Amino acid sequence: DTGVSQDPRHKITKRGQNVTFRCDPISEHNRLYWYRQTLGQGPEFLTYFQNEAQLEKSRLLSDRFSAERPKGSFSTLEIQRTEQGDSAMYLCASSPDSVATNEKLFFGSGTQLSVL
Amino acid sequence: SQQGEEDPQALSIQEGENATMNCSYKTSINNLQWYRQNSGRGLVHLILIRSNEREKHSGRLRVTLDTSKKSSSLLITASRAADTASYFCATDEGNSGGYQKVTFGIGTKLQVIP
Repeated sequence: DTGVSQDPRHKITKRGQNVTFRCDPISEHNRLYWYRQTLGQGPEFLTYFQNEAQLEKSRLLSDRFSAERPKGSFSTLEIQRTEQGDSAMYLCASSPDSVATNEKLFFGSGTQLSVL
Repeated sequence: SQQGEEDPQALSIQEGENATMNCSYKTSINNLQWYRQNSGRGLVHLILIRSNEREKHSGRLRVTLDTSKKSSSLLITASRAADTASYFCATDEGNSGGYQKVTFGIGTKLQVIP
């Protein structure tokens, strides 16, 4: 399978717990994005990696959120001390080139987080 | 924040009819993209139109772009029940800060009735 893979597909957690999501982009894609999507809304940008460097973070990404892409391949998104407002679909996307413009994004199926 | 606004937010049509969705945005863009999302799934890229293009076709899809009005439309001709999904426009503001800043609208939920 050469698509973007996200794990887990679903996560149910209790308020206050920490959760970690994983994204495996398409091999050799340099750019990696995390988005968050709530019901009835479009995806909202969270953060962007170019290879292993995290180049941009949204104001939506509070101190409880941290993302890494240690070797420029897979990425993890951790949420500490989860709150009910964190309940959402977390989407990962990748695109091929660090330099080119006009690239489309390839999305994974997302991780649906429910905080009880 | 979300740059694009799709109109209508929901659309219900009979199979075989055409579906038109509109998108308005606020800032200068490098390109505009349309994506489709089936319920509970990730987004799938449909078509990309560059800022210097006015119209583009792909199969049953036709996209127009008017940069003077900061608006785009997506036309799906001869709709099928399988076209039932949410459709999002996404604006790419170019290499801002070294990356493609791709911002999504809130989407149009299309229902095609068999």
